[in-house]
Amino acid sequence: EDQVTQSPEALRLQEGESSSLNCSYTVSGLRGLFWYRQDPGKGPEFLFTLYSAGEEKEKERLKATLTKKESFLHITAPKPEDSATYLCAVQLPGGGADGLTFGKGTHLIIQP
Amino acid sequence: GAVVSQHPSRVICKSGTSVKIECRSLDFQATTMFWYRQFPKQSLMLMATSNEGSKATYEQGVEKDKFLINHASLTLSTLTVTSAHPEDSSFYICSALSPVAHLHFGNGTRLTVT
Repeated sequence: EDQVTQSPEALRLQEGESSSLNCSYTVSGLRGLFWYRQDPGKGPEFLFTLYSAGEEKEKERLKATLTKKESFLHITAPKPEDSATYLCAVQLPGGGADGLTFGKGTHLIIQP
Repeated sequence: GAVVSQHPSRVICKSGTSVKIECRSLDFQATTMFWYRQFPKQSLMLMATSNEGSKATYEQGVEKDKFLINHASLTLSTLTVTSAHPEDSSFYICSALSPVAHLHFGNGTRLTVT
């Protein structure tokens, strides 16, 4: 049973077309929710950590929000260089040694 | 700049041989490092936790005799895939836990076993 579900699996947008990526989790006692960006053949690059419902964080064209059941990564007026796979990970009280459970990611393609 | 360096970035080896992958923390000392495997379009799956000066802790289902982990110093952990087979072909990623509890990832190693 997946504890972290990301949707959509893939998303193709035109440059400048804003949208949102979803990360839903089915566990309680969340310690933290992380967003990473992963480029092909590269390791994940840290974007945001969210700890409590209602929290929001922004970085350039990205904004992450958190509720008790899900997180959204909003991308505003994206550019081709925003194309990447965006990974969500949750940190659980009884999680793995690294404390993180990853989703499968959303593959985002921004077309010029 | 990168705070965790992983080497090599790509390696091709023949079935039955062993391959060593290095993971170095460049800007901090890491008593704990982690090794992951990622198959195409799949999540990162934690394989093992590497602890400096002690034995690694392996996740359920990961063969410790096949995936040898050594964390000989506070800045270096190595993963050796022994007697590699084609099904071991994957993307292997390490991460290092900084003193302020931030997790930094390496750029991964693409292993292809022919």
